[in-house]
Amino acid sequence: DTAVSQTPKYLVTQMGNDKSIKCEQNLGHDTMYWYKQDSKKFLKIMFSYNNKELIINETVPNRFSPKSPDKAHLNLHINSLELGDSAVYFCASSQELGGTGPSNSYNEQFFGPGTRLTVL
Amino acid sequence: AQSVAQPEDQVNVAEGNPLTVKCTYSVSGNPYLFWYVQYPNRGLQFLLKYITGDNLVKGSYGFEAEFNKSQTSFHLKKPSALVSDSALYFCAVRDTGGGADGLTFGKGTHLIIQP
Repeated sequence: DTAVSQTPKYLVTQMGNDKSIKCEQNLGHDTMYWYKQDSKKFLKIMFSYNNKELIINETVPNRFSPKSPDKAHLNLHINSLELGDSAVYFCASSQELGGTGPSNSYNEQFFGPGTRLTVL
Repeated sequence: AQSVAQPEDQVNVAEGNPLTVKCTYSVSGNPYLFWYVQYPNRGLQFLLKYITGDNLVKGSYGFEAEFNKSQTSFHLKKPSALVSDSALYFCAVRDTGGGADGLTFGKGTHLIIQP
C-alpha cells in the first residue's frame, strides 16, 4: 500500500534522449510536486500542481514538463537530456485545501522513494 | 522570497545524550515549518510540523521542535539520542500564502549518533 510511488527507481540514459518518470499517489491528495536532489543533497522544488494551478520554479529549464492525466498522477517529462540533469528526482503529494491546523495531516508532504537519473 | 538556513553540516552526539539540530527561516508572511528525515537511498519521511498554536511541537520517533518567532528559529530536539537516529535531517518552510507552493528546504544536517 505504497502512498506515493515512482517508476522507474533507476534510469540510465544517453545525452539528448527524452525520458519520463511516473508518479502516482493513492492518498487522495489534491496537490502534487516534483523536487530535484543533486549530488550534494540539495533539494529544490521544480513544480507544484493542483487542479487549478501549475507553479513552476523559474530556474527549471523548459525541457522539463509535468503532465497530470488525473489527480492521482503527476508525471515528469524531460526532453534533450543533459549531463547536469543527473540527480535524484522526488515526487510528493499533500492535501492543501479543506483546512489547516496542527492536529491534522493537511500541508504535510508525503514523498516517493525517488528516481535516480543518470545521464551519460 | 522564503529561505531556510541549517548552519551545521554535521552534528555529532553520543547515544543517550540530548540532541539539537538548528534551523532558522525567513518568510514574508507567516511560516509553515517542517522537519523531514532522509535515510540513505530513501525518500524523505515527515517528522513534525508547525502551522499554528503551541510553539512546542511533538512529532515522530520522540522528536520535538520549538517555534520561536522572535528568533525565526525552529530547532529540532530529542531528549535522548539513539544510534538509529543517525540520518540526514532537513528543515523546510512554506509561506502561508495559500496555493500549491512547494517547500523551500535547508541544505540538510547530517546527524551522527555515536554508540
